[in-house]
This record gives sequence, C-alpha cells and structure tokens, in this order.
Amino acid sequence: QKEVEQNSGPLSVPEGAIASLNCTYSDRGSQSFFWYRQYSGKSPELIMFIYSNGDKEDGRFTAQLNKASQYVSLLIRDSQPSDSATYLCAVIKSSTLGRLYFGRGTQLTVWP
Amino acid sequence: KAGVTQTPRYLIKTRGQQVTLSCSPISGHRSVSWYQQTPGQGLQFLFEYFSETQRNKGNFPGRFSGRQFSNSRSEMNVSTLELGDSALYLCASSPELAPGNTIYFGEGSWLTVV
Repeated sequence: QKEVEQNSGPLSVPEGAIASLNCTYSDRGSQSFFWYRQYSGKSPELIMFIYSNGDKEDGRFTAQLNKASQYVSLLIRDSQPSDSATYLCAVIKSSTLGRLYFGRGTQLTVWP
Repeated sequence: KAGVTQTPRYLIKTRGQQVTLSCSPISGHRSVSWYQQTPGQGLQFLFEYFSETQRNKGNFPGRFSGRQFSNSRSEMNVSTLELGDSALYLCASSPELAPGNTIYFGEGSWLTVV
C-alpha cells in the first residue's frame, strides 16, 4: 500500500468552476499535510499546508483534513487557466519528521 | 527574505563522472532535505539533514551522499554517474523538525548524464 495516493486524473474543469483534488494516506501517524503546485519544468511550490482537522482557507484555495478517514483534499474556487498544473499531495509522519511522502500528483487543466 | 537557493541550475555530465550539488536553505532554517524527481518515478526522497546530522535516508545506492555544514548549507554528491541519474534534484528547507512547520523547495538542479 502506497503511503500517499491521489486521484490520478487528469482533471479538466472550465474556467470559473471548482476543482476538487483528493488524497488519502495510509499512516495514522501522519501529522502535517501539504499541497504543492508544480508547473511543467518547474519545482514544486507550496500552496497550502494543514495539520488540524477541518478546513483551512487561503484565498481561492481550501484544504480539508479528516484524520479519522485519513483523507485530505484541496478545493480551488473560481479556477483560472493559470491554475493548470500538477498538484502534489504530501504528508509528514511523526516517525520521520523532515521527510515528505508524496503522491504521484494530479494534473489539472482549466480551460477557458 | 531569500528562498532556497540551489546551484548549479543546469549541468551536463558524462557517465562515470561525479557531481556535487549545493543548497542554501532559507535563513534560519535548520532542516534540509533532498529529492530526486524523474518522469517515471515521481518525487523520491534522498536524505534529510538537521543540525549537520543525517536524520533520514531514502532507498538510494551509496553513490548518493550528502552533508550539511554548520551554517545549514547542504551539498549532495553523486559518484560514478549513470544515465538513470538524469533528473531534477530538489532541495527543501524547513525551520525545525516539528509538526506544523512548512517546507519550501528550491528551483532545483537539472542534471543530464550523457
């Protein structure tokens, strides 16, 4: 079983729609959860991180964490073509602080 | 505040050579980790250093090594390069080894082995 799994996509949404990205993790000792955005040929850019159950909002982005279900999601409201990228979910486990476990990423395309 | 700085950004090496990549973390950050990214394997963890000590290590052969200096700057070295080592090498830094700390990546070093 992989440490972190993401819906593989690709995901395609029209401009202005809500894009929903999902991620599950296997280790209940996971403590911190990250969403990175990666444009083609670029390095991952941190867009959200969350470590408490519930929702965390930052502008058009909302991260949702449910530790009981071992599930974390990212919602992008009012999607823009510039949001087209690969979104990487990553977690940190309490047993290996400092090491990120990544999913394979979900490719998002927002079409005008 | 400067971000994570990696040098060199691009390099081409020949099989059998060795390469050293450098990473300067965000000021005040003490944890530095390294990742390899390839199209086929995604992001794979190499190793992580905190206060000059290697705390975690991924499943890479001994040709891959690293170190961290007292100023938190880090280097990684790959000896006897193979074609399969061609990848984007990413460095990330974090303030401390604690939950709730964010982790930021540098722009990466693109290594091509020919």
